Amino acid sequence: DIQMTQSPSSLSASVGDRVTITCQASQDISNYLNWYQQKPGKAPKLLIYDASNLETGVPSRFSGSGSGTDFTFTISSLQPEDIATYYCQQYDNLLSTFGGGTKVEIK
Amino acid sequence: EVQLVQSGAEVKKPGESLKISCKGSGYSFTTYWIGWVRQMPGKGLEWMGIIYPGDSDTRYRPSFQGQVTISADKSISTAYLQWSSLKASDTAMYYCARHPSGGTIDFWGQGTLVTVSS
Repeated sequence: DIQMTQSPSSLSASVGDRVTITCQASQDISNYLNWYQQKPGKAPKLLIYDASNLETGVPSRFSGSGSGTDFTFTISSLQPEDIATYYCQQYDNLLSTFGGGTKVEIK
Repeated sequence: EVQLVQSGAEVKKPGESLKISCKGSGYSFTTYWIGWVRQMPGKGLEWMGIIYPGDSDTRYRPSFQGQVTISADKSISTAYLQWSSLKASDTAMYYCARHPSGGTIDFWGQGTLVTVSS
């Protein structure tokens, strides 16, 4: 079972700030890493797939990078509608795990 | 339009059995993996397992193996998650989710809230 360590668990930032979240895998997962956004009471939504590919329709202020064991998710300019919890997800050989999540709030 | 429509909320007692469902529409149900994700109250997402409805190939995350059963009926484009004996710790929201190639999730159901309480 590959473990995903996501940090921080929560953060508070101002509108317009650059926000960065990291995810570390317990073993090499190449680029098999996705990022999701979940707003309260809603199902998650795919933002970034395969570490760095922006899902269709997702604003370009969201981006992802990394490979191997270390990955980064960035919101270049935080907007009020970005208040949510963000999760990384690794997938390897038809098994998957999520990171613990990062709750993003407005300062 | 791709849709995953889940069955309604359930309230059960410990020891009871339960089967919840997820009906897919708007795509070829037999050619996409479909899986289940648990979210306990106030907690994060936990990936449970997936099934390929075309041939019923099923994979479980080790911590869920033997605790639940994932199945699918391709004739009615429906996937299932079932328990034979519920525990209070099974109280959670359960999401079904489409996995195009067994990894990335591109569509989610609306969630089924399962409450287990005596």
